[in-house]
Amino acid sequence: DGGITQSPKYLFRKEGQNVTLSCEQNLNHDAMYWYRQDPGQGLRLIYYSQIVNDFQKGDIAEGYSVSREKKESFPLTVTSAQKNPTAFYLCASSIPGSENSPLHFGNGTRLTVT
Amino acid sequence: AQSVAQPEDQVNVAEGNPLTVKCTYSVSGNPYLFWYVQYPNRGLQFLLKYITGDNLVKGSYGFEAEFNKSQTSFHLKKPSALVSDSALYFCAVRGTSSGTYKYIFGTGTRLKVLA
Repeated sequence: DGGITQSPKYLFRKEGQNVTLSCEQNLNHDAMYWYRQDPGQGLRLIYYSQIVNDFQKGDIAEGYSVSREKKESFPLTVTSAQKNPTAFYLCASSIPGSENSPLHFGNGTRLTVT
Repeated sequence: AQSVAQPEDQVNVAEGNPLTVKCTYSVSGNPYLFWYVQYPNRGLQFLLKYITGDNLVKGSYGFEAEFNKSQTSFHLKKPSALVSDSALYFCAVRGTSSGTYKYIFGTGTRLKVLA
């Protein structure tokens, strides 16, 4: 079955450490996204990529970095510069150029930084 | 700028009763609207999307959404609620400017269906 795989499901880190969240898709979608979810705030866009080797900052990119070396993969690094990294992180993909194409989501990674 | 609002943090409904989860939007041009559902510690699942010209859109699991252009609303509905419908629901809008691939989400509405 096609889908998006995020790993790990739970991640624990000490403050000051960088951490990388994995996102892999086999839907053959060109566009991929990273969202952060906090209680009562909905989803906020961190980074998105419309095509391999290209990505753009979203609304809350500070303290995060991404790469897009392969169509299937869009890893997110949460750096020590991110002030409040504890959150639920969601990766998604879609078909670009089709305005009513829905997002497909992975099952998320819950990051806890202490 | 595109935006979407979900005015209710929580909606409670008795099992078997009809349910409505509200969403209003603000976009320039044609609206591209979506509803998603999220169960605890899971990603969002697509329920339905607005199709231009259809004021009533049918989706997964018996859900439907009513589009009202004059009220700029896209409310999610179901004729008879199930306890298993209890979850977090998100409305989303996508920009229509060429090259814009961002989806804007509401803050979510928690639906609680009481047995």
